[in-house]
Amino acid sequence: DTEVTQTPKHLVMGMTNKKSLKCEQHMGHRAMYWYKQKAKKPPELMFVYSYEKLSINESVPSRFSPECPNSSLLNLHLHALQPEDSALYLCASSQGRGLGNTEAFFGQGTRLTVV
Amino acid sequence: QQQVKQSPQSLIVQKGGISIINCAYENTAFDYFPWYQQFPGKGPALLIAIRPDVSEKKEGRFTISFNKSAKQFSLHIMDSQPGDSATYFCAASEYGQNFVFGPGTRLSVLP
Repeated sequence: DTEVTQTPKHLVMGMTNKKSLKCEQHMGHRAMYWYKQKAKKPPELMFVYSYEKLSINESVPSRFSPECPNSSLLNLHLHALQPEDSALYLCASSQGRGLGNTEAFFGQGTRLTVV
Repeated sequence: QQQVKQSPQSLIVQKGGISIINCAYENTAFDYFPWYQQFPGKGPALLIAIRPDVSEKKEGRFTISFNKSAKQFSLHIMDSQPGDSATYFCAASEYGQNFVFGPGTRLSVLP
């Protein structure tokens, strides 16, 4: 099983709303990632969690708040977003730093529209 | 600073032809180089990957060639099919984390 599950698949939110994106994997991976992808662009790294600890924050605005409750789950809390934050948000996981197998698997993404 | 360069930006190939996409990197600490295929509205799917101690890896119709001294690697798709029409991203990572993507190549395979 190489599946990374993201919910919801689509989300429309107003600029004053608070919402959360969820990601789950059961491959025993210890590194999990959030990426943002705009149309016709490559995925851009936002956050990296390694062993449930935030290891990288690529200067992402504070209106995006990641959370890793356990080794299988990753959340992205959204608050006071701007229309330019509309994008496909991708979750990914890999086995983790120095753990041999380095394959990373992506979920299908959440298509976020901020109105 | 673009850490992984990719060309061409778009590619049109006839059915049965060979599709070739090239990538180059700058960071010599990268030690894992995957290729991803992405269809519209879907997440990237891992196609094939290579480590710098191997010069070539083949899986079915897909082959990666790797040139460590030139810091370049390429994807060859043999017998290209219309179903291969997608966007292809090369990527690179260090210690199996922090994947950096190339800008992507939009492949169209004509029937």
